[in-house]
Amino acid sequence: ELKVEQNPLFLSMQEGKNYTIYCNYSTTSDRLYWYRQDPGKSLESLFVLLSNGAVKQEGRLMASLDTKARLSTLHITAAVHDLSATYFCSDGLTFGKGTHLIIQP
Amino acid sequence: DAGVIQSPRHEVTEMGQEVTLRCKPISGHDYLFWYRQTMMRGLELLIYFNNNVPIDDSGMPEDRFSAKMPNASFSTLKIQPSEPRDSAVYFCASSPTGTEQYFGPGTRLTVT
Repeated sequence: ELKVEQNPLFLSMQEGKNYTIYCNYSTTSDRLYWYRQDPGKSLESLFVLLSNGAVKQEGRLMASLDTKARLSTLHITAAVHDLSATYFCSDGLTFGKGTHLIIQP
Repeated sequence: DAGVIQSPRHEVTEMGQEVTLRCKPISGHDYLFWYRQTMMRGLELLIYFNNNVPIDDSGMPEDRFSAKMPNASFSTLKIQPSEPRDSAVYFCASSPTGTEQYFGPGTRLTVT
């Protein structure tokens, strides 16, 4: 069964701290996508990683892709409350279960 | 562009009734996806189309569910008859290349 697995599924952290969300996938896809979902809202595309070694950054978020390890990471630097949301990774068709991130003052 | 449009945004119906969800993808996008999201099962791909042709419907739960895409600008997801376990948020998404997807606002379905 093809899978996309995220960890952790729940994360509570303080403002100003750094943390990393991991996404392992079992397909042979050479691309990986990250999405954000706010409560009661739809999903919004954050990053599109199209090749091995790809790194994308947007503000306090940075995503990377290692296709050989079938691993993508989403790194949060100096977290702020506005980043509280659920983050999903996807190989294009299959989505992970999402990481519910709560950032506390 | 208005983005992906879904209707209705909320639907409350009784068990046994037919429910039709509608989606208008972004113009020019060749791919259309239907997802279901629940707390228990997360985000599940139900079916996707390429150029109006269903490519993979292996995620459709059972025969009560059907989806059509009669043209490039419209798709429907029908549940007949509906059951309480069908209660979920149903998202439609479109994509120009089948990769990065643009999601609609979703339809929150409640079956009582």
